[in-house]
Amino acid sequence: NAGVTQTPKFQVLKTGQSMTLQCAQDMNHEYMSWYRQDPGMGLRLIHYSVGAGITDQGEVPNGYNVSRSTTEDFPLRLLSAAPSQTSVYFCASSLTDGGYTGELFFGEGSRLTVL
Amino acid sequence: AQKVTQAQTEISVVEKEDVTLDCVYETRDTTYYLFWYKQPPSGELVFLIRRNSFDEQNEISGRYSWNFQKSTSSFNFTITASQVVDSAVYFCALSEDPSGGYQKVTFGTGTKLQVIP
Repeated sequence: NAGVTQTPKFQVLKTGQSMTLQCAQDMNHEYMSWYRQDPGMGLRLIHYSVGAGITDQGEVPNGYNVSRSTTEDFPLRLLSAAPSQTSVYFCASSLTDGGYTGELFFGEGSRLTVL
Repeated sequence: AQKVTQAQTEISVVEKEDVTLDCVYETRDTTYYLFWYKQPPSGELVFLIRRNSFDEQNEISGRYSWNFQKSTSSFNFTITASQVVDSAVYFCALSEDPSGGYQKVTFGTGTKLQVIP
């Protein structure tokens, strides 16, 4: 009964370092997405994918890359971390209903600090 | 323009009081979906409800109820007889027409509810 699994849960980076946040789901969901949560700003969409091989940008894509080679996995890459990327990151997945996003299932979140 | 507005940043109520969390949305689409999610202090995000734009019937689930009014573009959430366990941040969200290929779920900034024993 894993649902959406994110790793790592906590990470501290120095400015300029790179890292990958991993996200995996075992519910065969077509739709996967990454959000960042910052105080007072709600959840903002970074990137999303509607199936293997298909990704697109959300509201705040700069500084992040994604790929979707399998239905299960949707990693988020920070190529050169900046302090502005200090945030809590959530991966979410859902089935789609006539193209519309269904209930989002969220991972537990990854807290990233960039020094 | 902000598409989902939760004007109440923080609300405090005494246990057993009723409380309503407001959500106002903006969309040009005729078909869309609205959601509420709960984020307790432990940090996980929990789905509460999903409603489509054609279903304006109010919904009740235990102490929770939702009032959807297209005329005012609002989807308000009421907790009756609040309990300490209701203390959380509550997010309203909107999923719009994906025909443009952009299946975006837009979240409001959240309302932090504190229920005081």
